[in-house]
Amino acid sequence: GAVVSQHPSRVICKSGTSVKIECRSLDFQATTMFWYRQFPKKSLMLMATSNEGSKATYEQGVEKDKFLINHASLTLSTLTVTSAHPEDSSFYICSASPVLAGDLYNEQFFGPGTRLTVL
Amino acid sequence: AQSVAQPEDQVNVAEGNPLTVKCTYSVSGNPYLFWYVQYPNRGLQFLLKYITGDNLVKGSYGFEAEFNKSQTSFHLKKPSALVSDSALYFCAVRDVGTGGFKTIFGAGTRLFVKA
Repeated sequence: GAVVSQHPSRVICKSGTSVKIECRSLDFQATTMFWYRQFPKKSLMLMATSNEGSKATYEQGVEKDKFLINHASLTLSTLTVTSAHPEDSSFYICSASPVLAGDLYNEQFFGPGTRLTVL
Repeated sequence: AQSVAQPEDQVNVAEGNPLTVKCTYSVSGNPYLFWYVQYPNRGLQFLLKYITGDNLVKGSYGFEAEFNKSQTSFHLKKPSALVSDSALYFCAVRDVGTGGFKTIFGAGTRLFVKA
């Protein structure tokens, strides 16, 4: 089946630093990837839709200058949390669907998530 | 706008008993519905989906879900629960818009299966 990886799985950083999280589709190509944030005991909050070769589409309330998204290729999207603060601590999950006609019907494949802790 | 509601934060069931995890949805067009499961500190795993066709959809690990258009529901079911089914379950609806799509998730229901 389709596999999505994330790196790192866990990161601890100091307040004010930037952290980059990578999301890769290992055995398929994805024109679109999604970044979610999950709070403890809460659902997934869609942060942005990452589009290969173009700017990401951010959800309302998500600061695009703080959460930088780059979709450099059909298999890689990165999320950079800039000037991180303790309130940015969370579980970040990416997902992707294979790039084929019928994307609308395909399930999304999720990465294992990245636990970010900002001290 | 599309939305998904999971009315139960938690469902408790004894092993061997049937389980149901409830989900209702609101969409403006045809519903594309999904169920995912999340184990601790893991990403989500796809269980099943409804796009069109039979109202009863069968998925992974013995799970199934019934699409009910009149009640706008898509409840997840399993005839006989296992302790290993204990996890967090998310119902989701695909929001199909011009130029793209995104998936909206419910708040999640935590399932506890007791031995």
